[in-house]
Formats: sequence, C-alpha cells, structure tokens
Amino acid sequence: SAVISQKPSRDICQRGTSLTIQCQVDSQVTMMFWYRQQPGQSLTLIATANQGSEATYESGFVIDKFPISRPNLTFSTLTVSNMSPEDSSIYLCSVDLGLAGGPEYNEQFFGPGTRLTVL
Amino acid sequence: SQQGEEDPQALSIQEGENATMNCSYKTSINNLQWYRQNSGRGLVHLILIRSNEREKHSGRLRVTLDTSKKSSSLLITASRAADTASYFCATAIFGNEKLTFGTGTRLTIIP
Repeated sequence: SAVISQKPSRDICQRGTSLTIQCQVDSQVTMMFWYRQQPGQSLTLIATANQGSEATYESGFVIDKFPISRPNLTFSTLTVSNMSPEDSSIYLCSVDLGLAGGPEYNEQFFGPGTRLTVL
Repeated sequence: SQQGEEDPQALSIQEGENATMNCSYKTSINNLQWYRQNSGRGLVHLILIRSNEREKHSGRLRVTLDTSKKSSSLLITASRAADTASYFCATAIFGNEKLTFGTGTRLTIIP
C-alpha cells in the first residue's frame, strides 16, 4: 500500500484566481493520476502525471487550465487556473503501485482529496 | 462518457441486513474493482476481480463478475453502520493503467 497526502485539504477561492494542489507519496511510484469529482458525481480522470515529461490529459481537459508538474517519483502538483464556480469539486490524486501485468496492476491508492469551492 | 453504470443510485437498509449493488459496463475489461468513499473523502480500494474470475470474497464482501452480461455485483453481508458510504465500481481495459469509474451507489445503514 501507499500513504498519500494532499495539501490543502480544502480551500475557498475567488473567481479568476488559481490554486495549486500538492500530492505527496511515501514511496516512489511510476504512475500518478489526478481526478476531479464534481458535487454528487463520480470521479473523472483529468490526467496522468508523468515523471520527467508532460502530463497526458484526458479528453475535455487541457494543460492551460490544469497544468501538472511531476518533478520526481514521490510528488506532483495540479494547478486549477483562472477558476470559476464550475471548478468547485473535490480533486484527488492517486497512485498505481503495480508493474504492468503484475498482481497489483491497476489497483490505485488515493489521497484524501482537496475540496475546492470557488465563489 | 462513464464506463460503468451502477444501481441502485441510493440504498438504505437496516443494520445487519445484506446490501447488494450492481455495476454494468460497456466494453471488454481486464479487471473490475470496487472502491468505497466516506463523506467525500479519498477512496479506499475494496476488491479487484479479474476478467477470468467469476467470484471473489474478502471478509464480508462478495463480488461476482459476469463478462457475458458485462456486469458485476458487490454484496456486503451483515451490514454495519460503518459501512455507510458511497461505493464505486471501476474498470480497467487490457494494456491500460487508467481506471474508469461508475456512477456510484450511496449506501446508508440504519442503526
């Protein structure tokens, strides 16, 4: 398993500002992911954070709006830029510890989430 | 679009009863997983079942998978108040590390 922390745990922000969310893992991992969970909804994958290269974004998400950094194998940040009330969500990071094809492959461990409210 | 659709959307049962929730998906999968989320917090992995498995148990949890019907069920036996949470299924396709989550079932256990 892995212990994952996120900062901040929650924030209230003004429209037009940006917020950077940090995700720290207690061990080195290859695959890290960022999800968004809108109020009362399921999780939607924003992007895969790749160490040493640009993140891989899912359809509907762009780097200008959600820039992601992955400077090493234990840390990543997600920035929500130029926020609007529609960005109010829980943002979660997760990691996959397994090697491709291995017994733990695809099993993900999640951080506690960052609850963002945009006014 | 969401890969998995879950039903029911919400379920309330008395403590001690069994809870069953279902997940349907659309494409061939490598595995299907169930996660629990308490009060909008992070998700906790419950169980993973591979496409070549039909049933799996973990404590009070029993998961079935029917690949011909593209569906799975999660049974929680002898429910407890602490089981109150949202439950999500998530699917992974072959050769892809990404998960696609279902719509979720909100389970309430009444003491």
